[in-house]
Amino acid sequence: NAGVMQNPRHLVRRRGQEARLRCSPMKGHSHVYWYRQLPEEGLKFMVYLQKENIIDESGMPKERFSAEFPKEGPSILRIQQVVRGDSAAYFCASSHRLDEQFFGPGTRLTVL
Amino acid sequence: DQQVKQNSPSLSVQEGRISILNCDYTNSMFDYFLWYKKYPAEGPTFLISISSIKDKNEDGRFTVFLNKSAKHLSLHIVPSQPGDSAVYFCAARGKGGSEKLVFGKGMKLTVNP
Repeated sequence: NAGVMQNPRHLVRRRGQEARLRCSPMKGHSHVYWYRQLPEEGLKFMVYLQKENIIDESGMPKERFSAEFPKEGPSILRIQQVVRGDSAAYFCASSHRLDEQFFGPGTRLTVL
Repeated sequence: DQQVKQNSPSLSVQEGRISILNCDYTNSMFDYFLWYKKYPAEGPTFLISISSIKDKNEDGRFTVFLNKSAKHLSLHIVPSQPGDSAVYFCAARGKGGSEKLVFGKGMKLTVNP
């Protein structure tokens, strides 16, 4: 019973490039959440998705960031034209309805 | 605006003793609280949770206490073990269908053998 999968685990991008982070939820989970953790900080909510729907994107920056959870395949967090301030650990979590959220190992994004 | 606060950045205890981790919140709309443990380079692992209709929940060595009037919760670990050494995050979830978790900044627990 695989847990939440995230890839890549580490991603290095130069300023101005695009970053794509992938998340496969636990089997049977249809709710996906993305969080970002800056150094020395707690996790900050970004977006909550169900299949083909964005439910709550109140934590997403207004520009350059987007997320999707298609009918088939993993959820994708996309960051366009990355800047150094985007360097962080990005965690995906999944849940079954209103149950506890289970987290993946995270993707550590470094912007040079 | 830190709605969930973990005011102590670190705690060091001796193996076998009790560890008490504290968390305060400001938003009275929170109705569900969770504790997560996190090792370096890994994702947070769910430990224990409590609903606002309860004041205590116990699971093995872990007990969470909730004091709604004080907007305070605590996690007790007894007896503490060296493997408990990690960063612990307190998180809260609001009413009204909002599923997002609001996290504290975390507290590093070190259990010395």
